[in-house]
Amino acid sequence: GENVEQHPSTLSVQEGDSAVIKCTYSDSASNYFPWYKQELGKRPQLIIDIRSNVGEKKDQRIAVTLNKTAKHFSLHITETQPEDSAVYFCAASGNTGNQFYFGTGTSLTVIP
Amino acid sequence: NAGVTQTPKFRILKIGQSMTLQCTQDMNHNYMYWYRQDPGMGLKLIYYSVGAGITDKGEVPNGYNVSRSTTEDFPLRLELAAPSQTSVYFCASRSGTGSSYEQYFGPGTRLTVT
Repeated sequence: GENVEQHPSTLSVQEGDSAVIKCTYSDSASNYFPWYKQELGKRPQLIIDIRSNVGEKKDQRIAVTLNKTAKHFSLHITETQPEDSAVYFCAASGNTGNQFYFGTGTSLTVIP
Repeated sequence: NAGVTQTPKFRILKIGQSMTLQCTQDMNHNYMYWYRQDPGMGLKLIYYSVGAGITDKGEVPNGYNVSRSTTEDFPLRLELAAPSQTSVYFCASRSGTGSSYEQYFGPGTRLTVT
């Protein structure tokens, strides 16, 4: 099966700075890579996703980049705000999308 | 739309007891999933279903069973509960049609086995 590794496990940034979270995956057949945000005690919620036929996708302050050759993808958050503080999970899905494999999460703290 | 709903929100079980975690979605989604989330860890897939009558094992199926008799419901059964099954359980669903792979999660069930 797929193996997804995520780094760093914790990240602290000053408000207004950028945050970058990186994930690697092992199965070259994976073709869908979502990022989820989970606030304390809440359910995970999709914030952005990317398909393997796209190298970069942006949605306001959030962007995701994908390097298929190196099998890694990254989440970029610019102009961070205190409400960005949460745990972020990356995931990868095989070519059928039947199973999703999650990274172990990054706890992001934005310091006002 | 209520989305994905789960019951109960919290439960404490004694070792060896059994229980069923309920999951219902009202979005007419084909795919449904059960995950467990241990403290400080990501989500691990227990079982999934691609449609009514079809289920399959995920990464960590041991100690659990599922059924999918309708599109809406996907209950997770724990038999002979063990302390290792203490976790937060999330149910999720996704459409399976069109180009979106987005999963919608339920609010979770926090289970403690003592």
